[in-house]
Amino acid sequence: KNEVEQSPQNLTAQEGEFITINCSYSVGISALHWLQQHPGGGIVSLFMLSSGKKKHGRLIATINIQEKHSSLHITASHPRDSAVYICAVRFGRPDMRFGAGTRLTVKP
Amino acid sequence: EPEVTQTPSHQVTQMGQEVILRCVPISNHLYFYWYRQILGQKVEFLVSFYNNEISEKSEIFDDQFSVERPDGSNFTLKIRSTKLEDSAMYFCASRTPRGARGYTFGSGTRLTVV
Repeated sequence: KNEVEQSPQNLTAQEGEFITINCSYSVGISALHWLQQHPGGGIVSLFMLSSGKKKHGRLIATINIQEKHSSLHITASHPRDSAVYICAVRFGRPDMRFGAGTRLTVKP
Repeated sequence: EPEVTQTPSHQVTQMGQEVILRCVPISNHLYFYWYRQILGQKVEFLVSFYNNEISEKSEIFDDQFSVERPDGSNFTLKIRSTKLEDSAMYFCASRTPRGARGYTFGSGTRLTVV
């Protein structure tokens, strides 16, 4: 069964802390996406990965194909980073399968 | 930065009525998608559209649903005879064949069936 598991489910951090959110999947994939869902519901695509590591500002995403695992890191976290972070993978067909999300709250 | 635009932002409809959710994808994107998210649940894939036809659809996308790109800019999702369980947030997305971040999502249409 093609599953996507995220951990933790909920995460509370103090401003400035380093954040790690994890995503594991069950079988080989063609691509993995990290998405950010704001409290109002809108979704923003952060990264698309098939190997290695990508960085954008304070966000870093890594993927280990052999271990079927990806991490999203946020350096110097800020209250505006508070959102739900979703891992989504493309196993093949159909399109993408989504994780349940990690709800991040960053306190000032 | 280019955006995917969805209208309306919120629609309330009576059970059994037809609704059309509208999306304007980014103009140079070639692949278009609809997803839904029932409150408190995961985002789910509904359908993808390429070259003026459906390329993939999920088990959710049954005969009640249809998609259309009527005029080269709009991309619509029609739900015939809505049911209470169709209440959800519906997201449109588009992408180019290769993009650094992948998909661009619209801000969603919240559909409430009463």
